[in-house]
Amino acid sequence: ETGVTQTPRHLVMGMTNKKSLKCEQHLGHNAMYWYKQSAKKPLELMFVYNFKEQTENNSVPSRFSPECPNSSHLFLHLHTLQPEDSALYLCASSQELRETQYFGPGTRLLVL
Amino acid sequence: KQEVTQIPAALSVPEGENLVLNCSFTDSAIYNLQWFRQDPGKGLTSLLLIQSSQREQTSGRLNASLDKSSGRSTLYIAASQPGDSATYLCAVRPSTGRRALTFGSGTRLQVQP
Repeated sequence: ETGVTQTPRHLVMGMTNKKSLKCEQHLGHNAMYWYKQSAKKPLELMFVYNFKEQTENNSVPSRFSPECPNSSHLFLHLHTLQPEDSALYLCASSQELRETQYFGPGTRLLVL
Repeated sequence: KQEVTQIPAALSVPEGENLVLNCSFTDSAIYNLQWFRQDPGKGLTSLLLIQSSQREQTSGRLNASLDKSSGRSTLYIAASQPGDSATYLCAVRPSTGRRALTFGSGTRLQVQP
């Protein structure tokens, strides 16, 4: 596999469920990102990791919990979500923090 | 707070037409500006990245310009094709402080055969 991959591609969950989104990059990059894309709104940055360390948390509610075990993998743990959290969640990576970001295909999340 | 605006929000053109997409940003203290393409339900593909010291970048039929002092960028698409149909997003990176990209809402382009 090449580039940035995300699993699952689609997810439907209830408000009491716990699920995790996974992102993996095969580009040897050092920085990874989570973005949220809601209908008719610009992409919103959620978290930034650089060399496995979280460098930005854009005031994201605690029901979203990121994890970065190594520079190639990034997770987003979800629990007690709300219907308004339904969106496309995009992962991206870059060689360094200020360089071109490469995006995965996203996970389409629906919270019922 | 940086705000990025893209006009128009949607555009429909016949095949073969040259077109211009506009992006404006409120804070001119940027490190670079990037144009992306997003197909429906998919992730983003980087098209062009312009550093703050540059005026334009070209890739094939695409040309992006940057006027940092006036807070504007344009994406020029020559000889448009149906395969160009997608949403085009503009994003800026600040030169100081928070390093992450701020995105516009995008221009949804439809090229009719």
